Amino acid sequence: AQSVTQLDSQVPVFEEAPVELRCNYSSSVSVYLFWYVQYPNQGLQLLLKYLSGSTLVKGINGFEAEFNKSQTSFHLRKPSVHISDTAEYFCAVSSDNAGNMLTFGGGTRLMVKP
Amino acid sequence: DVKVTQSSRYLVKRTGEKVFLECVQDMDHENMFWYRQDPGLGLRLIYFSYDVKMKEKGDIPEGYSVSREKKERFSLILESASTNQTSMYLCASSSSTGWNTEAFFGQGTRLTVV
Repeated sequence: AQSVTQLDSQVPVFEEAPVELRCNYSSSVSVYLFWYVQYPNQGLQLLLKYLSGSTLVKGINGFEAEFNKSQTSFHLRKPSVHISDTAEYFCAVSSDNAGNMLTFGGGTRLMVKP
Repeated sequence: DVKVTQSSRYLVKRTGEKVFLECVQDMDHENMFWYRQDPGLGLRLIYFSYDVKMKEKGDIPEGYSVSREKKERFSLILESASTNQTSMYLCASSSSTGWNTEAFFGQGTRLTVV
């Protein structure tokens, strides 16, 4: 079975400050990792994904994430956030023995303050 | 532009009513999913379908059923709505070309059962 833990339910940060949203996963096989963003009153949109290869993955809107197999983590980072980044962020995992089924973490609400 | 469309953004239903949530995708995707989103719990998979007339239970299927008569349409049915089914419901679709394909989400239906 696979699972995802997002360690922070809310992250307040000031505009132009850096941010890291933490994600840890558990799985007994090779994994594929995703970060999705949900803006208020909208569905989920893919930010970035790790499938294989380079452990540093760059996504849309200046976000990046690093896959760390030894720590089973896939933390999301942005060097300088904007007010428009205020949203809920979901980490998700899939694996070869889970088909196309994504398992999601509980979500982290990023609140960017002016 | 790829699209997953959910028929209603907001619904209010009475306890005991039979409720239908409809989802249509225009990407010719094989896989379709219904998730339920609750604060702090992230997204939990209710049912998914990998082909017409095929369905598989997800993590929380109790109280729900699904129908997929056409490839583009996936319906979620609450046989007898209860107040604990008040939630945000998200539909998603993905291609079957690989286990690591991206899922595309609809805008969500916020269901309130009174």
